[in-house]
Amino acid sequence: RKEVEQDPGPFNVPEGATVAFNCTYSNSASQSFFWYRQDCRKEPKLLMSVYSSGNEDGRFTAQLNRASQYISLLIRDSKLSDSATYLCVVNLQGGSEKLVFGKGTKLTVNP
Amino acid sequence: DARVTQTPRHKVTEMGQEVTMRCQPILGHNTVFWYRQTMMQGLELLAYFRNRAPLDDSGMPKDRFSAEMPDATLATLKIQPSEPRDSAVYFCASGSRGTTNGAGELFFGEGSRLTVL
Repeated sequence: RKEVEQDPGPFNVPEGATVAFNCTYSNSASQSFFWYRQDCRKEPKLLMSVYSSGNEDGRFTAQLNRASQYISLLIRDSKLSDSATYLCVVNLQGGSEKLVFGKGTKLTVNP
Repeated sequence: DARVTQTPRHKVTEMGQEVTMRCQPILGHNTVFWYRQTMMQGLELLAYFRNRAPLDDSGMPKDRFSAEMPDATLATLKIQPSEPRDSAVYFCASGSRGTTNGAGELFFGEGSRLTVL
């Protein structure tokens, strides 16, 4: 099993749609979880951290299921500007600073 | 606005040549990472440093790649000799330890796009 796995997509959705991305990780000792966003030919940037109880930031909601080793990102009311690749990121083990990136899920929001 | 600075932004070279990429991390950050990104493999961790000490370079081909931090303001990644399969975007990122004693946010440079002919 790969350390971090994501559905590569692409996801093509209309403006205003709700879209969900999923990610699984292999190491049950992982403690730090993030979603990063990467625009075409740009560097990755932190979108949001993922906390055990789930967390929300505007239209974005992240959830963590430790039992299933599963992370999700929900985008509501999607905008054209949400078009990007979304990277699931996990540290290899508790307390480690090493972050492993999934290959990303590409999202295109269409007018 | 603090940012990670990488040079060169683009490099085209011929197989067998030495390539050196440089990175200036954000002042005050104590961890520095080198990642390589390709379409096939995505972002791969090559090496990382904490307080300038190399902690892990297991992702790096040892025979041709080397990473160093000669001082707190400079990290280097060197490839000698370069091969066409090294063509990729190389990202440097810096960060600080997370508040939960785990990983914190990483700030990436704009990347060095390497093409080896």
